[in-house]
Amino acid sequence: AQKVTQAQTEISVVEKEDVTLDCVYETRDTTYYLFWYKQPPSGELVFLIRRNSFDEQNEISGRYSWNFQKSTSSFNFTITASQVVDSAVYFCALSDFSGGYQKVTFGTGTKLQVIP
Amino acid sequence: DTEVTQTPKHLVMGMTNKKSLKCEQHMGHRAMYWYKQKAKKPPELMFVYSYEKLSINESVPSRFSPECPNSSLLNLHLHALQPEDSALYLCASSQEPQNTGELFFGEGSRLTVL
Repeated sequence: AQKVTQAQTEISVVEKEDVTLDCVYETRDTTYYLFWYKQPPSGELVFLIRRNSFDEQNEISGRYSWNFQKSTSSFNFTITASQVVDSAVYFCALSDFSGGYQKVTFGTGTKLQVIP
Repeated sequence: DTEVTQTPKHLVMGMTNKKSLKCEQHMGHRAMYWYKQKAKKPPELMFVYSYEKLSINESVPSRFSPECPNSSLLNLHLHALQPEDSALYLCASSQEPQNTGELFFGEGSRLTVL
């Protein structure tokens, strides 16, 4: 069975600090996809990034960057120069094909609070 | 603005009531999902609809009854719920059921069962 672990339950940083959210996953599949979602207080889950198991290139999008390392089964997310609007719960997720249909398993989430 | 619309945003119901949650998407997606999210917990998959047919039921109690009248609509009928069913119910869609692309989520319907 697949599993996603986000060991950090809550993190507080002061605005403009950098912060890294950790994600460790387990899967027996050789083909899988990893995601990060942001959930602001409004409730909607906002897609941030998808990465497939064959693409270990790191990615940068503005202040966001992701570090994917298959050797350690980790997919960490860094926010550079954090802002108050980054305050949210962030979920790492793993998808496989359960019975032929995509099934996404979420980690327990990391609540990020950015203090002005 | 989210492209997956859920109504109502908030719902309070008694244990003997019958109510429904509605989800709508107009992106042409052929897979739709219901997730349940308890406070401070991750979303948990309940149902998957693929091309308007129920594909996955994650052993959800029968007091939750999903329905997909057409490719754009997904309902969740609620009957004889328990207080522990109080949660945020999230609807999501994806392009294809076998696609590993992103899931598009609605803002959810926050349900309180008294």
